[in-house]
Amino acid sequence: GAVVSQHPSRVICKSGTSVKIECRSLDFQATTMFWYRQFPKQSLMLMATSNEGSKATYEQGVEKDKFLINHASLTLSTLTVTSAHPEDSSFYICSARENAGHASGNTIYFGEGSWLTVV
Amino acid sequence: AQTVTQSQPEMSVQEAETVTLSCTYDTSESDYYLFWYKQPPSRQMILVIRQEAYKQQNATENRFSVNFQKAAKSFSLKISDSQLGDAAMYFCAYRSRYKLTFGKGTLLTVNP
Repeated sequence: GAVVSQHPSRVICKSGTSVKIECRSLDFQATTMFWYRQFPKQSLMLMATSNEGSKATYEQGVEKDKFLINHASLTLSTLTVTSAHPEDSSFYICSARENAGHASGNTIYFGEGSWLTVV
Repeated sequence: AQTVTQSQPEMSVQEAETVTLSCTYDTSESDYYLFWYKQPPSRQMILVIRQEAYKQQNATENRFSVNFQKAAKSFSLKISDSQLGDAAMYFCAYRSRYKLTFGKGTLLTVNP
């Protein structure tokens, strides 16, 4: 089946630096990808919707200047956490919607997630 | 805005028994999809089952089945013959055209 790959799976960075997380659809094209954040023992919180070739749509309360999203191709979206602080430490998950048929019914595949620790 | 409510933060079941996880949702849309996802300790999100709102027949995938009550906006998951590998966090999710909204999850423990 379709696979979505996230990289890196774990990253530690120093406070004040920036870190990039990649989300790739390996065997299908994805016009739309989604980025979620998940705190321990909590649900997935949608941060933004990433659209190929256009600006991302951010959810209310998510700082677009802090969480930069780029979706430059049909198989790659990146999330860059800028000027990271310890409170940005979390589990970040991406998902990709396969381009096929009716948008509402397209299958969404999830990446394996990325643990970010800011020290 | 759509909301998804899972009223059971934790559930437990004996191995080989049956358990039902509850989910309700709120929407004004008529065209949508509902999902149950499983998240084991590895954190990988695994699709368990999906239901199209326009279908009256309840979806079934092997030991997993749903009870979809559209008028009541209820979407429960039944796991039959529970196995140790079913232990995980289960999320109910609502999907409209553009995004997926998750409930807070139910942590399922399977006792041997």
